[in-house]
Amino acid sequence: GQQVMQIPQYQHVQEGEDFTTYCNSSTTLSNIQWYKQRPGGHPVFLIQLVKSGEVKKQKRLTFQFGEAKKNSSLHITATQTTDVGTYFCADDNYGQNFVFGPGTRLSVLP
Amino acid sequence: NAGVTQTPKFQVLKTGQSMTLQCAQDMNHEYMSWYRQDPGMGLRLIHYSVGAGITDQGEVPNGYNVSRSTTEDFPLRLLSAAPSQTSVYFCASSYLGLAGGHEQFFGPGTRLTVL
Repeated sequence: GQQVMQIPQYQHVQEGEDFTTYCNSSTTLSNIQWYKQRPGGHPVFLIQLVKSGEVKKQKRLTFQFGEAKKNSSLHITATQTTDVGTYFCADDNYGQNFVFGPGTRLSVLP
Repeated sequence: NAGVTQTPKFQVLKTGQSMTLQCAQDMNHEYMSWYRQDPGMGLRLIHYSVGAGITDQGEVPNGYNVSRSTTEDFPLRLLSAAPSQTSVYFCASSYLGLAGGHEQFFGPGTRLTVL
């Protein structure tokens, strides 16, 4: 079956440093969604990318969808302590069986 | 709107007991799903539904049953609880568009311990 992988598993950064997490799929992704989960909380939707090569920005967050639709990345510029949490990517398989990656846990040292 | 609600928040079961985790949404979403989250494993799909009367298995369906008699409710039943089912369970819903899925709204989760 489809496998969605994320690297790194953990990332510790100093506040103000940049952060990037990568998502790779063993099969072509239909659409890619990104979620953030704060410690003790539930996942919260960040964005969905649909088109090959698509780039979207949300303030300090930049999301990219690979040209071959097999990978995606999330980049945070100048991290803040509010960015702490686990970031998940997910393939929505055209609205059927969502497959999530294992997540990247980000900690930000003040 | 309450969004997605889940009950109970916490539950402790003994091996072999059965129980139902409740999930309800008031956004008229067609799609609803159940996930379990274990440390380092991300979110794994248990069952999902694309509309009332329609359910399908996800990645880890064994030991769980679901039904979808209304758009609003999607209960998850544990038939005979096992320690391996100790986990945090999340219910989620979304509406479906022509291009497929849209953002999923997650409930607050149920933390289940099976002794």
